[in-house]
Amino acid sequence: DAKTTQPPSMDCAEGRAANLPCNHSTISGNEYVYWYRQIHSQGPQYIIHGLKNNETNEMASLIITEDRKSSTLILPHATLRDTAVYYCIVDTTGTASKLTFGTGTRLQVTL
Amino acid sequence: DTGVSQDPRHKITKRGQNVTFRCDPISEHNRLYWYRQTLGQGPEFLTYFQNEAQLEKSRLLSDRFSAERPKGSFSTLEIQRTEQGDSAMYLCASSPKTGFYEQYFGPGTRLTVT
Repeated sequence: DAKTTQPPSMDCAEGRAANLPCNHSTISGNEYVYWYRQIHSQGPQYIIHGLKNNETNEMASLIITEDRKSSTLILPHATLRDTAVYYCIVDTTGTASKLTFGTGTRLQVTL
Repeated sequence: DTGVSQDPRHKITKRGQNVTFRCDPISEHNRLYWYRQTLGQGPEFLTYFQNEAQLEKSRLLSDRFSAERPKGSFSTLEIQRTEQGDSAMYLCASSPKTGFYEQYFGPGTRLTVT
């Protein structure tokens, strides 16, 4: 299984961009990268996913390096409500049927 | 659409007792997943259903655990002869037949075994 490595914690000032890195150097060519977040005492929430190209939605942008060995989740204007644990996940099933969460990055957004 | 619901939200039980949790997925979502999360860790996959068929089970799902989705709608997760190590948050998620890449999680059931 492709393993991911994330920093355990990061801080970001409110209004600034939050850039959360993820290393997945053993990823295979057809494996997608997913990002979820978990706000305290809630279930995880899907953010975005991608294969090769950069992706953007209303929540965030996902930048995947050309060699696909790492990616960065960007929250363009972080707010206090973005304080959460962010999980980078590589889908090894091809059908998103089994998400393997690591320990994630705890993002603290401060005033 | 009310989202994924789980019942109960909290359960305290004595070691050795059986417990059952219920998950109601988003209407018409044909996939349903169960995860377990302990303090400080990310969720761990337990099992998933496509309609009423249980397609995969983790090795974490010991013989004391059983999950069902009898009519392809709600699901139950039963733990028999609970142990203190079963204390965790049990999360349920669902996803649609198309656009299945996004799993929608419920709020979870927190189990405490004393």
